[in-house]
Amino acid sequence: AQTVTQSQPEMSVQEAETVTLSCTYDTSESDYYLFWYKQPPSRQMILVIRQEAYKQQNATENRFSVNFQKAAKSFSLKISDSQLGDAAMYFCACKIQGAQKLVFGQGTRLTINP
Amino acid sequence: GAVVSQHPSWVICKSGTSVKIECRSLDFQATTMFWYRQFPKQSLMLMATSNEGSKATYEQGVEKDKFLINHASLTLSTLTVTSAHPEDSSFYICSPYGGATNEKLFFGSGTQLSVL
Repeated sequence: AQTVTQSQPEMSVQEAETVTLSCTYDTSESDYYLFWYKQPPSRQMILVIRQEAYKQQNATENRFSVNFQKAAKSFSLKISDSQLGDAAMYFCACKIQGAQKLVFGQGTRLTINP
Repeated sequence: GAVVSQHPSWVICKSGTSVKIECRSLDFQATTMFWYRQFPKQSLMLMATSNEGSKATYEQGVEKDKFLINHASLTLSTLTVTSAHPEDSSFYICSPYGGATNEKLFFGSGTQLSVL
């Protein structure tokens, strides 16, 4: 069974600064995907970034990038130039290839200080 | 990203009544539908998984007779909370999956159910 752990219940960062959210996971599968989702106050789940486990290169999406350490089973999210709109709950998730469910971490609440 | 429509956004009902929540995938065929439940300040908890035309598979501890799932077409799935009670009050989110989504999972906007 897969597990995903986010050890930081809350994080805060000054606007325009950089923040890193931590995530570790455990799975015995070789083909899997890792995700970061954002849930703002509207509660709409928004896909931030995705990483295929077979790819060594870290995924990036504009100001968002990941540090994927496969051997350590670590998948952290770095947000550069933080903006007020980045304030949200962030969930790390893992999915086995195919029609398999997402397993979520507990979430990290990110606050942006102006 | 894919377009997912979930209705209603919120519903208030009396204890003992049934509530139906609809989830539509508007631009792809959803062969699988995941239904989640989220309590305040907590993560999403998977309730059940359904494949189009088949019976849903429920997670441990989820009452299949209380949470009826219908997935009769590739674009529509419904979750019916039967004989709702205050403890069923929660935020329910659907997540359709199909091969065209390229291993990405998208979510409906959620339904806040409040049972009085």
